[in-house]
Amino acid sequence: KAGVTQTPRYLIKTRGQQVTLSCSPISGHRSVSWYQQTPGQGLQFLFEYFSETQRNKGNFPGRFSGRQFSNSRSEMNVSTLELGDSALYLCASSLAAAASSYNSPLHFGNGTRLTVT
Amino acid sequence: DAKTTQPPSMDCAEGRAANLPCNHSTISGNEYVYWYRQIHSQGPQYIIHGLKNNETNEMASLIITEDRKSSTLILPHATLRDTAVYYCIVRVVGAGNMLTFGGGTRLMVKP
Repeated sequence: KAGVTQTPRYLIKTRGQQVTLSCSPISGHRSVSWYQQTPGQGLQFLFEYFSETQRNKGNFPGRFSGRQFSNSRSEMNVSTLELGDSALYLCASSLAAAASSYNSPLHFGNGTRLTVT
Repeated sequence: DAKTTQPPSMDCAEGRAANLPCNHSTISGNEYVYWYRQIHSQGPQYIIHGLKNNETNEMASLIITEDRKSSTLILPHATLRDTAVYYCIVRVVGAGNMLTFGGGTRLMVKP
């Protein structure tokens, strides 16, 4: 079974631009979460989607947004890029819904490394 | 979610068991203990999780103390490929996928 696929693997953008990152979850997984990883802040939760609905959102500005499609694939968008947005953006998928009592592990992709210059 | 405390770094000789401790003294009854590891330039990899019983899979064993205030991840025969940052996380059942990662333990397996 293929793992979580994130595209592109690397991206270089300029301050003020916007960027869209893509995530294809493991087949059959309906929950997708996004995380940002930086050397200073570590891994931080951005948001979580299930059945095209955002279930949880982390403490990030409104410039960070996401969506999920009916096939469970997800995208996240960052508008008006800042230098501090340079990070590894990780997508994770799991079987269970956010409100499910079933505790299923998250499986992460290898991320998109975004550099803002 | 409960906070976890892990040593920042550990060394282990290749072929020996690596025992990685985690303190989660404020864990609640409905919180699971999860372990992930992250090898440089890759995403975190799920290893194992448990509630109160010891667990074992093909990758590792998880030992949780009876009071559930601490746990140990055991890699029985560490290899150089096990060199990574290991994260211990507690997660509430049914609370979604908002995991809180701490600093983790950087395990260095040496030949």
